[in-house]
Amino acid sequence: NAGVMQNPRHLVRRRGQEARLRCSPMKGHSHVYWYRQLPEEGLKFMVYLQKENIIDESGMPKERFSAEFPKEGPSILRIQQVVRGDSAAYFCASSPLRLEEQYFGPGTRLTVT
Amino acid sequence: GNSVTQMEGPVTLSEEAFLTINCTYTATGYPSLFWYVQYPGEGLQLLLKATKADDKGSNKGFEATYRKETTSFHLEKGSVQVSDSAVYFCALVQGGSEKLVFGKGTKLTVNP
Repeated sequence: NAGVMQNPRHLVRRRGQEARLRCSPMKGHSHVYWYRQLPEEGLKFMVYLQKENIIDESGMPKERFSAEFPKEGPSILRIQQVVRGDSAAYFCASSPLRLEEQYFGPGTRLTVT
Repeated sequence: GNSVTQMEGPVTLSEEAFLTINCTYTATGYPSLFWYVQYPGEGLQLLLKATKADDKGSNKGFEATYRKETTSFHLEKGSVQVSDSAVYFCALVQGGSEKLVFGKGTKLTVNP
């Protein structure tokens, strides 16, 4: 059973561009979580999704950030008009059921130049 | 709010040395506590967990005991190996919540 897949692993964007980060959960997992790790910080929760639904987005910045988990395909974290402060590692995790163990992907390292 | 504080790194040890990484937490109620490990270039892996006071989590020679009286969950290993070199994260989750709350991580380097 393949683990959680994230791509790209590294992404470089210029200020003002859009960044799209993809997460394919483990087979059979319908719950997806996104976390962000800023330099010298721990991981911070951003959003929790189930198929086609956003369950908890209390950690998402109010502007420029959005997430989706469609019926088919990976979960997408989208950052519009990126700024230097968005440079971070973005980790996705998945679980088979709510409140079950979360399995993490390798992360996407976003650099904004 | 909930928070986790773990000792600042980096930590450098020689092979077979004793390891302690301190972790304390602030939470309402009775959270579950975790240690995650991140090897270079990989995602976080669950190392061990404890769900109630006085529980001891253990895995791969690592141990941590849930101490409610000191709100601590210190990670220990009696004899580290070069392959234990990684970043270690302490984390908690409040009952009924899906949000993991992480410490900043402690980088461990073990030299032969």
